[in-house]
Amino acid sequence: DIQMTQSPSSLSAYVGDRVTITCQASQDIDNSLNWYQQKPGKAPKLLIYDASNLETGVPSRFSGSGSGTDFSFTISSLQPEDIATYYCQHYDDLLTFTFGPGTKVDVK
Amino acid sequence: QVQMVQSGAAVKRPGASVKVSCKASGYTFTDYYLHWVRQAPGQGLEWMGWINPNSGGTNFAQKFQGRVTLTRDTSISTAYMELTRLTSDDTAVYYCARVISGGGDGWGQGTLVTVSS
Repeated sequence: DIQMTQSPSSLSAYVGDRVTITCQASQDIDNSLNWYQQKPGKAPKLLIYDASNLETGVPSRFSGSGSGTDFSFTISSLQPEDIATYYCQHYDDLLTFTFGPGTKVDVK
Repeated sequence: QVQMVQSGAAVKRPGASVKVSCKASGYTFTDYYLHWVRQAPGQGLEWMGWINPNSGGTNFAQKFQGRVTLTRDTSISTAYMELTRLTSDDTAVYYCARVISGGGDGWGQGTLVTVSS
């Protein structure tokens, strides 16, 4: 089974800072990697699909990159409303999902 | 717009079963797979399985094989997740999600299932 890891597990940054989260797969997953934002008490929200594609309606300060085993997710200018936990998620040919453990983002 | 509305919270005894519903609207129900994901208190997201609403075909995470049943009623655009032999470890918020191209682009509001004696 493919395992997904994320780092850091949590971070705190100032409004306006550039924030980057990494996600690593235990084997090559091509670009079958999505990123979600989850705010407390809410359902996850899809932000980035297939590693680098911005979901419709998602602000352009969010971006994703990577392929194979190493991926990154960036918020170019952190906003107060970006306080949330972010998850990477891999899907395989059978649409089996594997989520990363999550990264909690806070504002200083 | 896509909307997924789940049934309300449930409290169950250990050993019991729970059935959660997920009613879809705003799109053709049979066109997209529907996944179930759960989240224990303070924990991350855990994928449970999916149902193909068109064929009724299913796929489950190995952890839930034999304990979870996914069904659907296409006449009312509703999917169901039934989990049996509940333990305290099954206390979680259960989500349904419409999946397109491998990503969940429409999620239910979540259903809290509490297992307690």
